[in-house]
Amino acid sequence: DAKTTQPNSMESNEEEPVHLPCNHSTISGTDYIHWYRQLPSQGPEYVIHGLTSNVNNRMASLAIAEDRKSSTLILHRATLRDAAVYYCILGDINRDDKIIFGKGTRLHILP
Amino acid sequence: KAGVTQTPRYLIKTRGQQVTLSCSPISGHRSVSWYQQTPGQGLQFLFEYFSETQRNKGNFPGRFSGRQFSNSRSEMNVSTLELGDSALYLCASSPDETQYFGPGTRLLVL
Repeated sequence: DAKTTQPNSMESNEEEPVHLPCNHSTISGTDYIHWYRQLPSQGPEYVIHGLTSNVNNRMASLAIAEDRKSSTLILHRATLRDAAVYYCILGDINRDDKIIFGKGTRLHILP
Repeated sequence: KAGVTQTPRYLIKTRGQQVTLSCSPISGHRSVSWYQQTPGQGLQFLFEYFSETQRNKGNFPGRFSGRQFSNSRSEMNVSTLELGDSALYLCASSPDETQYFGPGTRLLVL
């Protein structure tokens, strides 16, 4: 079973920020939090990952709760090209366990 | 750097046949993972190879197997194909905890 819980789908207006939530209440101390997205007819694409602190890159920001039991992927200004399925997954820092993808969140962007 | 490449991109087989899919990782990446993606089950982990050794394995029957070569290229094999094996097979290579996915091989079993 997936170790993360995400809403099945979300909608957002173009050029507005999007906050995609993820719950991972059973996260262990050695688990990274990864976000990937999959655009139609493509393989998944890395977005961002973090361990304890909030992270920023050119694609997005990752806000991690203090207890690490939840996180939020933030797209600061959504475009139509951000419409995709977003996956939040946990990956052991020591790569001791297989990675399990859940169903992800299908993000719809409204023009 | 070139991305992860997978061949072939599309494949049609019939039940009972076997198939071999190939994955060339990004140069320098030693870990290669394989996933099966179907509309009903989503992305499911098959196995991971690191330095020619299988490091992790998912819950798939023994008909699904893989290997990795000394140049990190990987192949996966499915024997005695079933209709339910129709799926997109994705390969991902990793230098560390981040995975970089290829475009996938779409397999149709008739």
